[in-house]
Amino acid sequence: TQLLEQSPQFLSIQEGENLTVYCNSSSVFSSLQWYRQEPGEGPVLLVTVVTGGEVKKLKRLTFQFGDARKDSSLHITAAQPGDTGLYLCAGVKGAQKLVFGQGTRLTINP
Amino acid sequence: NAGVTQTPKFQVLKTGQSMTLQCAQDMNHNSMYWYRQDPGMGLRLIYYSASEGTTDKGEVPNGYNVSRLNKREFSLRLESAAPSQTSVYFCAISASLGYGYTFGSGTRLTVV
Repeated sequence: TQLLEQSPQFLSIQEGENLTVYCNSSSVFSSLQWYRQEPGEGPVLLVTVVTGGEVKKLKRLTFQFGDARKDSSLHITAAQPGDTGLYLCAGVKGAQKLVFGQGTRLTINP
Repeated sequence: NAGVTQTPKFQVLKTGQSMTLQCAQDMNHNSMYWYRQDPGMGLRLIYYSASEGTTDKGEVPNGYNVSRLNKREFSLRLESAAPSQTSVYFCAISASLGYGYTFGSGTRLTVV
C-alpha cells in the first residue's frame, strides 16, 4: 500500500496546455516536498511546503499544500517541452524520513 | 548531481556475487540515505544515517548492509546479489532528517 498516491501516473499533453498533478494521503505530514527527475539523473528538489493551505509559485509551477496537510497539488501553466519529466511528491512523517509517491510521468509534446 | 558522487554508474553482477556501492558528499550534510527506484514503485528507503556514527533500517533493508565511514561517505553493500535487487540505486543527503534532499545521479545495477 502506497502511503502517498499520485495521480495521474502518466500524462501526455500538448505544449501550451495547463495541467494539475495530485498527491494524496490519508496521513498527515509535517511537510511535503516536490521533486522533478529527468532520465538518467537523480530527483531534483523543486519546493517544500510546510503550512496547511500554503501556496508556492516557481515561475509557471504552482504548488499547494492541503489545509489538513494530507494532500498537495502541482499546477503547471502553459506547459513547455522542458517540463517533461517524472514528478515525485514526498512527505515527511514520523522519525523525519521522507516517504515518496510513485510519481507522475509527464510528457509535453511540441 | 553537484555535491553527491555515486560510483559506479553501471554494474552487472551474477547471482551470488557481492559488491559495494559508494557515495561521497562534499556539502557537509549530516544525514545520508540509500534508496532504490523500481518502475511503478517510486523511491523506497533501504537504509539511512541520521548523523556520523549512526545507521538505521528503512523500508526495504533485507539483503543489504551499510557503513557510514565518516561524515562524507556512506556505502551500501550487497553480500549475495539476487535478481530481485536489480534496480537503480540512489544516494541522497540532507542537512538534517526531514530537510530537502540532494540526490546523486544513481547506480544502475543488473543482477543476472
